[in-house]
Amino acid sequence: DTAVSQTPKYLVTQMGNDKSIKCEQNLGHDTMYWYKQDSKKFLKIMFSYNNKELIINETVPNRFSPKSPDKAHLNLHINSLELGDSAVYFCASSQDSRGAVGCEQYFGPGTRLTVT
Amino acid sequence: TQLLEQSPQFLSIQEGENLTVYCNSSSVFSSLQWYRQEPGEGPVLLVTVVTGGEVKKLKRLTFQFGDARKDSSLHITAAQPGDTGLYLCAVCKNDYKLSFGAGTTVTVRA
Repeated sequence: DTAVSQTPKYLVTQMGNDKSIKCEQNLGHDTMYWYKQDSKKFLKIMFSYNNKELIINETVPNRFSPKSPDKAHLNLHINSLELGDSAVYFCASSQDSRGAVGCEQYFGPGTRLTVT
Repeated sequence: TQLLEQSPQFLSIQEGENLTVYCNSSSVFSSLQWYRQEPGEGPVLLVTVVTGGEVKKLKRLTFQFGDARKDSSLHITAAQPGDTGLYLCAVCKNDYKLSFGAGTTVTVRA
């Protein structure tokens, strides 16, 4: 059983296009996250939702817009894609956003986005 | 400057050897996590340490949290090729954002 799933696994697109990445978790967790991993493998948080409410919004261009239709899903929409958006994007979830339990996060397999 | 400094950045050893990876900071943390990421996959949580001086073992992996809760180490005994991966330490800052170190890429040669 897949705990945190993402689609698509790979996404190749041209500059200027708009694309979405979908994420679903079946762990019953309250909190979901989006991370970006750059070419040097550095992982940085972008957004976090707790029970469909945005709780973390890092310094991310407003071309990136997360949407959480319910607490099991968190999608990421990116407008006007740029070359610098090329990276691996990971979705994650945790049981709660507070305390050590919130730090124990479960990650999806990632979506490798390539912008040409 | 990064909140967590991991060293070394890369480590390549022969199967059967031991290795240690370090995670250091000047800040004090209430807890620290270690994750392993294999190529093409997402990070997988290995352990959470909470108490200063705490030692946790996971088969051949030994995790230690520093007495002052500012640093941690991961020691692998008799490494195997299946231990190959990117090892990441992470902490939650006061506002509950998970912040990662830059990682140590471990390669175990058969």
